Amino acid sequence: GIQVEQSPPDLILQEGANSTLRCNFSDSVNNLQWFHQNPWGQLINLFYIPSGTKQNGRLSATTVATERYSLLYISSSQTTDSGVYFCAVLSGGSNYKLTFGKGTLLTVNP
Amino acid sequence: NAGVTQTPKFQVLKTGQSMTLQCAQDMNHNSMYWYRQDPGMGLRLIYYSASEGTTDKGEVPNGYNVSRLNKREFSLRLESAAPSQTSVYFCASSSGQGFYNEQFFGPGTRLTVL
Repeated sequence: GIQVEQSPPDLILQEGANSTLRCNFSDSVNNLQWFHQNPWGQLINLFYIPSGTKQNGRLSATTVATERYSLLYISSSQTTDSGVYFCAVLSGGSNYKLTFGKGTLLTVNP
Repeated sequence: NAGVTQTPKFQVLKTGQSMTLQCAQDMNHNSMYWYRQDPGMGLRLIYYSASEGTTDKGEVPNGYNVSRLNKREFSLRLESAAPSQTSVYFCASSSGQGFYNEQFFGPGTRLTVL
């Protein structure tokens, strides 16, 4: 099956700093989603982005499907950005089976 | 809209006990899913239902059964719980139409099996 690798596994920032999270995948994808799991365990949809670039406030994402990677940018980070960021993909002709990476644990210190 | 709801939020079982996790969505979605999340890992698919009346195995189906009760509801049953099933369980739903199939997740059920 498809492999999804996220980097870095851990990231510690000071409030106000910018960061880039990366997601590499081993095969072509039909769908790619970015999620934020907050410290209470809730999974929040950030982006649905199988290709191209999207922006939502301080967050933006870019997926280059031909090169099999996606990037999540967080600008002017805030303590509320802390948590785990997951990349998940649909591939292999399936419209249903999301495969998740192991996530990036982001800690933003005041 | 409540989105995807799950009950219970927390549960403690003894080995061998059974229980059913409930999930409901109010987004008129066709497809529903059950995932488990173990420490330090992403989510893994247990079972899914592409549409009402169908269910299929995911990556880790052993020890579980599912029922798609109607379009809104999708339950997960543990017949004889084992400590290896201690995990956080998430239900999700999506439109299930074509390649646009963004999945939306419930708040999770934290299950401990002693």
